[in-house]
Amino acid sequence: EAGVVQSPRYKIIEKKQPVAFWCNPISGHNTLYWYLQNLGQGPELLIRYENEEAVDDSQLPKDRFSAERLKGVDSTLKIQPAELGDSAVYLCASSTGQKETQYFGPGTRLLVL
Amino acid sequence: QKEVEQNSGPLSVPEGAIASLNCTYSDRGSQSFFWYRQYSGKSPELIMFIYSNGDKEDGRFTAQLNKASQYVSLLIRDSQPSDSATYLCAVNMFSLGGAQKLVFGQGTRLTINP
Repeated sequence: EAGVVQSPRYKIIEKKQPVAFWCNPISGHNTLYWYLQNLGQGPELLIRYENEEAVDDSQLPKDRFSAERLKGVDSTLKIQPAELGDSAVYLCASSTGQKETQYFGPGTRLLVL
Repeated sequence: QKEVEQNSGPLSVPEGAIASLNCTYSDRGSQSFFWYRQYSGKSPELIMFIYSNGDKEDGRFTAQLNKASQYVSLLIRDSQPSDSATYLCAVNMFSLGGAQKLVFGQGTRLTINP
């Protein structure tokens, strides 16, 4: 069974530029999560989807971050404009439900210069 | 007070010894608890989950849960150098509106010395 797929794996951009990350969850996993992980910290939830509905986006900085999961499978997370403090690893995870085990993708390592 | 607290370490253990990793959490209503292992530069991978008070064993790993003390631990027996990683404790907590959210501790960095 294929795991969670993310792309790109690495991204270097200048501040104020836009950036987008893509995630393909494990087949059959209706719940999809985007996390932010800073160095030396645990992942922090940005947004959770149940199918195509964003059911918890309370931690998403909506002034610059947006996300979508139009057909309830793949998802994209966008930052516009990026700031220096956005440098981190962006992790996507999926599960069969909100109470179930989450499986993580390899992450996208973002560096904002 | 952080919702999920772990000692950041580093914790250094000789090869073959028992490594003990601890975690406390703030939400008394939490029902499910997870331990993830994260190698440097990699994503977290699930080691174990535990729902009930007591011990749960899987190979060299044992998770222990004490809901009354709001405490969960992970024991690694016969530690190997390949166990050197950061161990993340994660707790399913209820957020506003009744939805559950997985909250992670900052992780404990474990080093197994040959």
